[in-house]
Amino acid sequence: QKEVEQNSGPLSVPEGAIASLNCTYSDRGSQSFFWYRQYSGKSPELIMFIYSNGDKEDGRFTAQLNKASQYVSLLIRDSQPSDSATYLCAVRATGANNLFFGTGTRLTVIP
Amino acid sequence: KAGVTQTPRYLIKTRGQQVTLSCSPISGHRSVSWYQQTPGQGLQFLFEYFSETQRNKGNFPGRFSGRQFSNSRSEMNVSTLELGDSALYLCASSLERNSPLHFGNGTRLTVT
Repeated sequence: QKEVEQNSGPLSVPEGAIASLNCTYSDRGSQSFFWYRQYSGKSPELIMFIYSNGDKEDGRFTAQLNKASQYVSLLIRDSQPSDSATYLCAVRATGANNLFFGTGTRLTVIP
Repeated sequence: KAGVTQTPRYLIKTRGQQVTLSCSPISGHRSVSWYQQTPGQGLQFLFEYFSETQRNKGNFPGRFSGRQFSNSRSEMNVSTLELGDSALYLCASSLERNSPLHFGNGTRLTVT
């Protein structure tokens, strides 16, 4: 079982819609969760992090965490073509500083 | 504030050679981590340095090594290169060990 699992997609949504990206993790002791956006040929860019159960909002982005279900999600409201990228879910290893990454979900926002 | 700087951006080496990659973290960041990204394996953790000490190491052979200097800059070395070492090598820094990681632009290594 992989530490972090994501649906690889591709996920296509029309411009202006809500894009929903999901991630599950296996280490029940994990406390820190991250979402990175990676454009083709570029490096990962941190867009959200969440440590507590519930929702965390930042502009058009909302991260949701449910530790009991070992589930993290990212919602992108009013999706724009510039949001088209691969979104990587990452979980910090318990008691360490390294991150386990999912394989990423490729999102395409159709104008 | 400048981001994480990695040099060089691109490298082409032949099998058996060795290579050194450099990383300058964001000013004030004390933790530096290295990751390898390949299409098949995704992002995999190599090692982490904090206060010039390796704190954690991923599941990579001993040919992969690194170090951190007193100014938090870090270098990563790969010896006896193999074709499978072709990848994007990413350096990430964080303010403290439990802070979010910020990645540099990466060094794309091609081994022929």
